[in-house]
Amino acid sequence: DQQVKQNSPSLSVQEGRISILNCDYTNSMFDYFLWYKKYPAEGPTFLISISSIKDKNEDGRFTVFLNKSAKHLSLHIVPSQPGDSAVYFCAASEGQGGKLIFGQGTELSVKP
Amino acid sequence: EAQVTQNPRYLITVTGKKLTVTCSQNMNHEYMSWYRQDPGLGLRQIYYSMNVEVTDKGDVPEGYKVSRKEKRNFPLILESPSPNQTSLYFCASRPTGDYNEQFFGPGTRLTVL
Repeated sequence: DQQVKQNSPSLSVQEGRISILNCDYTNSMFDYFLWYKKYPAEGPTFLISISSIKDKNEDGRFTVFLNKSAKHLSLHIVPSQPGDSAVYFCAASEGQGGKLIFGQGTELSVKP
Repeated sequence: EAQVTQNPRYLITVTGKKLTVTCSQNMNHEYMSWYRQDPGLGLRQIYYSMNVEVTDKGDVPEGYKVSRKEKRNFPLILESPSPNQTSLYFCASRPTGDYNEQFFGPGTRLTVL
């Protein structure tokens, strides 16, 4: 049973526009959420995170929104750039333990 | 340079032949973890280790073993590989208590025939 779901396998966006990547989770005990970015032939790299005590976190062009009642988070990239083309994974953890649950990933393509 | 290294990067083997994928980090991180990436399934955690001599199962531990005898190394052992273990494997590490930034290795592409 997939506890973290990214229902869109792919997303295509024009350069300069907003990219919105979505993620849903089922476990209400998750209290920390992260987004990772992955280029081909490389390991994932950390992008941005949010604690369950917040509903928004910004870092430059990247903003993560958390809606706890809907068990939904989203990553907004504004403006999108061709270098943002990659696979994006959301992930969730519970407490300070070591388990980290990832979604299936969304492949973002930003076209010039 | 701070990094996580994995060896080998590519491996083709046959069913039942024991293999080990090594993982090493030079950042003095307490926490290390192994994941596998499969199409449509994303990244799934195999095992993790909060510190030396402390290991725990992730979501998909069956068919794998790990050990953490020293802080910098966290090898993944497949005692009797099977074709369903064909996958892309990633090792990661981070400091304890900082569950933001896991540093991932470059990946090991394993094919079991």
